[in-house]
Amino acid sequence: QVQLVQSGAEVKKPGASVTISCKASGYTFNIYAVHWVRQAPGQGLEWMGWINPGNGNRKYSQKFQGRVTITSDTSAMTVYMDLSNLGSEDTAVYYCARPRRPCGGDCYSSFDNWGQGTLVTVSS
Amino acid sequence: EIVMTQSPATLSVSPGERATLSCRASQSVGSYLAWYQQKPGQAPSLLIYGASTRATGIPARFSGSGSGTEFTLTISSLQSEDFAVYYCQQYNNWPRTFGQGTKVEIK
Repeated sequence: QVQLVQSGAEVKKPGASVTISCKASGYTFNIYAVHWVRQAPGQGLEWMGWINPGNGNRKYSQKFQGRVTITSDTSAMTVYMDLSNLGSEDTAVYYCARPRRPCGGDCYSSFDNWGQGTLVTVSS
Repeated sequence: EIVMTQSPATLSVSPGERATLSCRASQSVGSYLAWYQQKPGQAPSLLIYGASTRATGIPARFSGSGSGTEFTLTISSLQSEDFAVYYCQQYNNWPRTFGQGTKVEIK
C-alpha cells in the first residue's frame, strides 16, 4: 500500500533552518508529484509547494519563495523540504502529500495520501 | 489567491442527525474542489474530490455537491467516528488553498 513516512520532530532556534524528509513506498515514485502542506497549532492547512521527482520540476507558494527548497532523491524514493530563516510563526506540523492522480505536479488533483506529519517547533 | 470560506466554524449535531457544511470560493474553481476529514493528531484524509466524487472507501453517507463558487458537504446520518474537523480545498488555481475548517462536534 502507498505510504509516506516522515522524519521526526524538530526543535529549532529562530533564524535556523530545518530539513524534513518524506520517504515514499508502495507506488511508482517518479510519476507522482509530492507536495508539502503545513498546519500551525490549532489552525488550518497551508500549501507550500511541490516537486516532480521524475524531472525535478517544482513550484513554490509565493509566501515561501526564497525560504523553501524542495528536493528529491529518486534512488531513495525520498523527498526533502528545507525551510530557512525560521521564525516562531513557522511552528507547525508539516505534511507531505501525494496527489490522487499520477501527474507531475502542475495538474488538477486532490491529495489522497499524506505523511504522518512532522512537528517543527521554533523557540529561543 | 483564491480564498476559501467555510461555514459554520462549529456545527453541533446529535448522532444520527444530518450535517450540512458549506464552502465558498472567492472566485470560480469549477469542480476542482476536495473535502478532507481531520481527526485530532492525525493527517487529513480525502473524502470527496471533483466536488462530488467519493474517494475510495468513503461511506455513502458522505456526499458533496456544488460547482463554481458554492459547495456543500452533507453527512446524512452522523456516526460517532464522523466527529472531526472538515476542510475544503480548491485545486483549480495556484496556490492551492484550504478553508479554515468546520468542526463537527457532538451535541
